[in-house]
Amino acid sequence: NAGVMQNPRHLVRRRGQEARLRCSPVKGHSHVYWYRQLPEEGLKFMVYLQKENIIDESGMPKERFSAEFPKEGPSILRIQQVVRGDSAAYFCASSPWVTASTDTQYFGPGTRLTVL
Amino acid sequence: DQQVKQNSPSLSVQEGRISILNCDYTNSMFDYFLWYKKYPAEGPTFLISISSIKDKNEDGRFTVFLNKSAKHLSLHIVPSQPGDSAVYFCAARVDQGGSEKLVFGKGTKLTVNP
Repeated sequence: NAGVMQNPRHLVRRRGQEARLRCSPVKGHSHVYWYRQLPEEGLKFMVYLQKENIIDESGMPKERFSAEFPKEGPSILRIQQVVRGDSAAYFCASSPWVTASTDTQYFGPGTRLTVL
Repeated sequence: DQQVKQNSPSLSVQEGRISILNCDYTNSMFDYFLWYKKYPAEGPTFLISISSIKDKNEDGRFTVFLNKSAKHLSLHIVPSQPGDSAVYFCAARVDQGGSEKLVFGKGTKLTVNP
C-alpha cells in the first residue's frame, strides 16, 4: 500500500464522543482523499484535500464531520458526537499530483471505527 | 443512485482457470476505470486501469476490457491462483473541476480453489 499510514487502526467510541482519525500520506504526496466503507458496501468518497485546502467535500455529511490537511503533520478526519451509523472503515488515499494517469491513489490500511 | 455496479457479490473458480469479474456503470463522464484488490483488514491495492478511450489493457495475468457502448467493463485473470483470492473493487474516475474522485462498486469476492 505504498506507505500511507493511518492510525489508529481500530477505534471504539461511545455515542456522543468525538473520533479523530489520522492519515500520513506517502512522503512527498500533497493530495489526500478520505473514503468511507460501510458494511457490505463499496468505498464512498468523502473529501479531497491538498495542503491547507479543502478542494472537494461533496461526499462529507453536512454536520459533525470535518477534515483538515495542515501544512505540517497528518491529515485529520474528525467526527463529532458520533452515532452508531458512523461505524465503518475509513480509508485514506494519497497521490503526488492530479494527472491523466489514475494509478496514483495509494490507499492506507484503514481505521475501523466502532460506535457503541 | 449507484453509478458503478458489480452485480456478482462472489465468484468461485478453480486454480488455473480464468476468472472474469464484471462491472457496469451509468455515468458517461467517467474517464478512467480501475480495478482494486482488497484483502481483509487491509486497504485497497491498485491492480490495473483503463482509459475510456481504450478497449483493452493487459498487464501480465490481468486484462481489463471496456465496452463503452454497453457501459460495461470486465477484469480477466488467467491463470487464476489461490493468492488471487480477495475482494475486487471496480472503480471509475470522474474529474470535476480539478477534483479526481473515485466511485466504487460494492465489490466481488473471488475465491480461487486449489
